[in-house]
Amino acid sequence: EAQVTQNPRYLITVTGKKLTVTCSQNMNHEYMSWYRQDPGLGLRQIYYSMNVEVTDKGDVPEGYKVSRKEKRNFPLILESPSPNQTSLYFCASRSRGEKLFFGSGTQLSVL
Amino acid sequence: AQSVTQLGSHVSVSEGALVLLRCNYSSSVPPYLFWYVQYPNQGLQLLLKYTSAATLVKGINGFEAEFKKSETSFHLTKPSAHMSDAAEYFCAVSGRSGGGADGLTFGKGTHLIIQP
Repeated sequence: EAQVTQNPRYLITVTGKKLTVTCSQNMNHEYMSWYRQDPGLGLRQIYYSMNVEVTDKGDVPEGYKVSRKEKRNFPLILESPSPNQTSLYFCASRSRGEKLFFGSGTQLSVL
Repeated sequence: AQSVTQLGSHVSVSEGALVLLRCNYSSSVPPYLFWYVQYPNQGLQLLLKYTSAATLVKGINGFEAEFKKSETSFHLTKPSAHMSDAAEYFCAVSGRSGGGADGLTFGKGTHLIIQP
């Protein structure tokens, strides 16, 4: 089954403790992206990747890092999380011209 | 730069009534436009997309949207609302390349409430 898999589904952490949210897709998509969703703000793009080793900043990249060492994986790294990064995060992928496939989301709380 | 404005953060309609969710966009290049739906505790699902073919686009679950260039609008409609339509709806425009290859710029969303 074609899917985008994010882990974990829920995460509670404390300020400053490094964390990684994983994202994997099994559709051989070139393009992958991370979004955060906040009430009243909709979805905002954090980072995206056009292919392996090719990443670029989205609209709200501050405080986040990504890497794309393999085509299927696109982890989101928070080196020193802060409470304003409490949010619902979505990973998405697609091939050129196709629709975006979204993961089920990761609800992150930073205390 | 591209942007999307969704008018109304909450829209309430009666079951069986017409659903109209408004979306206006700005784009310096011919846009690709999308409507996504998000059910509670789920990710986003594509309802329909406009990619410069027919201006009236039909999607899943009886939804359709009409691209009106003169009004820079892409409103979503459904003739008769069903209780299962209650969800968050997002309008989106294609990203920096203008060709649909990049990410999407989303509106802030409209929460659709269906009254019995």
